[in-house]
Amino acid sequence: AQSVAQPEDQVNVAEGNPLTVKCTYSVSGNPYLFWYVQYPNRGLQFLLKYITGDNLVKGSYGFEAEFNKSQTSFHLKKPSALVSDSALYFCAVRDGSGAGSYQLTFGKGTKLSVIP
Amino acid sequence: DVKVTQSSRYLVKRTGEKVFLECVQDMDHENMFWYRQDPGLGLRLIYFSYDVKMKEKGDIPEGYSVSREKKERFSLILESASTNQTSMYLCASSPNIPGQQETQYFGPGTRLLVL
Repeated sequence: AQSVAQPEDQVNVAEGNPLTVKCTYSVSGNPYLFWYVQYPNRGLQFLLKYITGDNLVKGSYGFEAEFNKSQTSFHLKKPSALVSDSALYFCAVRDGSGAGSYQLTFGKGTKLSVIP
Repeated sequence: DVKVTQSSRYLVKRTGEKVFLECVQDMDHENMFWYRQDPGLGLRLIYFSYDVKMKEKGDIPEGYSVSREKKERFSLILESASTNQTSMYLCASSPNIPGQQETQYFGPGTRLLVL
C-alpha cells in the first residue's frame, strides 16, 4: 500500500519569505514522488517529480523539493514567496517497484496563502 | 501543450438523474483517469483506463461507471445521482511512455451539485 501525509492544512507566509510545504510518504518499494498545484477554480498542474537521481529536484515557477529517504519526506520549497503562489498544493506518490499500475495516491492538500 | 477538456464547468442535477461527464484529451495519451475532489479528503481515484474499452476500478468506484470507446474520450457516468455525489470531478491523462506514465495532465474540473 502507498500513502501520503500532508500534515498542514494551511500554511501562511509573508511575501518575499521562504516557504515550505511538508509531505511525508509511505511505500513498500521505491517512491516516485510528485507535487501538483491547483489555482482557484482550476484543475491541477504538475510542478515537479522525483523518480531517481539527485535528491534536490527543481520544477516550475521556481519551486524545488528535496527527497529525504531516511525521513521519508518530500517537502516543497521556494526561496522567496510571491502572492501569486497562493494556491492549493498536493503531494502524490506511487510505488515505483510495482508493475502495471500507474495509479497515484494524493495527499489531502495544503492551502498556501502568501500575505502581501 | 497537452490539453484536457471537460464538457461542463458547472452542472446541477436532481437526485436519481443519470449524469454523464465527458473528458477529451488531444495528446494521444493511453492512460486516462477520473477523480473526485472533496475538501479535507484530497483527490480520490474513481476509475482509470489504460486503453480503449479497458477500465479499472479505483478507490471509490461505487455508484459510478465509465466508458472509453475512443482513445481521446473517457466518460464518467452516474447511473442514479445522489446528493453524496456532489463534488468536484477531475479528469486526467498520461502517456504510456516509461518515466512519464505518472505525470498526469488534468482538466479544469466539473463542479457537480446534486439536489
